[in-house]
Amino acid sequence: KAGVTQTPRYLIKTRGQQVTLSCSPISGHRSVSWYQQTPGQGLQFLFEYFSETQRNKGNFPGRFSGRQFSNSRSEMNVSTLELGDSALYLCASSLGLAMNTEAFFGQGTRLTVV
Amino acid sequence: AQKVTQAQTEISVVEKEDVTLDCVYETRDTTYYLFWYKQPPSGELVFLIRRNSFDEQNEISGRYSWNFQKSTSSFNFTITASQVVDSAVYFCALVNAGNMLTFGGGTRLMVKP
Repeated sequence: KAGVTQTPRYLIKTRGQQVTLSCSPISGHRSVSWYQQTPGQGLQFLFEYFSETQRNKGNFPGRFSGRQFSNSRSEMNVSTLELGDSALYLCASSLGLAMNTEAFFGQGTRLTVV
Repeated sequence: AQKVTQAQTEISVVEKEDVTLDCVYETRDTTYYLFWYKQPPSGELVFLIRRNSFDEQNEISGRYSWNFQKSTSSFNFTITASQVVDSAVYFCALVNAGNMLTFGGGTRLMVKP
């Protein structure tokens, strides 16, 4: 079966702009989580959605937001981009709520802010 | 607060050597889950193992083995007879009752032929 698909794979944006990243989970998976990976901060949890509701949120400013649609696809939005937002953004899907189940990750979207 | 520490940032071994990746965690919860993930150069995280806090039994899967010791809050990962394809960044992670996933800083493993 198809894995987790993230689009686009690469993105270059200018400071102050906004960006939307997309994640299509594995069919049947209802939980989608987002992570930011940077050389300095490592892998950090952004938020998790389950059945269209945000269930958990990491310690990120309000510029980072997300949503989940009825087909479990999820989008993540970052507004007023800063240089420090340059990172690999990873999405993971799992059958159940929370990360105590096996999660499958996409290849990520590499965002560069210039 | 919970924390996962992978003290080894980078390890280099020669093919066929055994290598152990260390993971030490901190949590106040009695119920939690520990994970190991592999991140190859392609970027996606590949699930390797999940262990809950009540199951201290060590596990072996092919060349991989895991040693979970609650007494020392450690969940170490050993690769036996390493291969070049094992080269990747390996992450240890913890999920507590609050369902927050916390990753360690990762260990970059380089296996040279």
